[in-house]
Amino acid sequence: SYELTQPPSVSVSPGHTASVTCSGEKLGDKYCSWFQQKAGQSPILVIYHNNKRPSGIPERFSGSNSGNTATLTISGTQAMDEADYYCQTWDSSTASVVFGGGTKLTVL
Amino acid sequence: QITLKESGPTLVKPTQALTLTCTFSGFSLSTVGVGVGWVRQPPGKALEWLALIYWDDDKRYSPSLKNRLTITKDTPKNQVILSLINMEPLDTATYYCARHLGGFGQSLANYYFDYWGQGTLLTVSS
Repeated sequence: SYELTQPPSVSVSPGHTASVTCSGEKLGDKYCSWFQQKAGQSPILVIYHNNKRPSGIPERFSGSNSGNTATLTISGTQAMDEADYYCQTWDSSTASVVFGGGTKLTVL
Repeated sequence: QITLKESGPTLVKPTQALTLTCTFSGFSLSTVGVGVGWVRQPPGKALEWLALIYWDDDKRYSPSLKNRLTITKDTPKNQVILSLINMEPLDTATYYCARHLGGFGQSLANYYFDYWGQGTLLTVSS
């Protein structure tokens, strides 16, 4: 089955750029979405179709996807960005949604 | 305004069956390119996709759980129902429903979850 691999944790200083990676075989050939989940809350879509931001998502959130790795980049990271981040794609071979294991972003 | 809300029991016993309902507003499951899915999250763990149903009654299931899952829809009531049989303690999780949006003529690979419900916590214990 298709797997997405994320680092368990990433740390960033306020105002700096955070990068969260998501790896999977030929992931660049698929669409990738990213979700933000703060403690005790539901996931929120922050990036879809690799690099598109839904309405209301700040411009500091951006995404890219090439080769085997998709990356969520948060520029000028703020304390409010501290959350778990999940990548997600579609595995056509099994017609399944696949989530990554999640990355805890700490802003310190 | 698009909203989704999950409802169902908070506690079930092992071996019992579970039925969860997702009631939504602000969109219709009769609209081409729209689906609703279920995702669960055990305490402290990652998101896990369970099932999807689309406007044309196309259904998709997690390969690892497909033998235990059934998803149906009641379009006039704006509801999607998920059933899971043979519950066990490892099924303890927060269960979310979410809209899966694509568009006319789009491959399912192009769809994405854009709105999520608040989730409902289910405990499986005797």
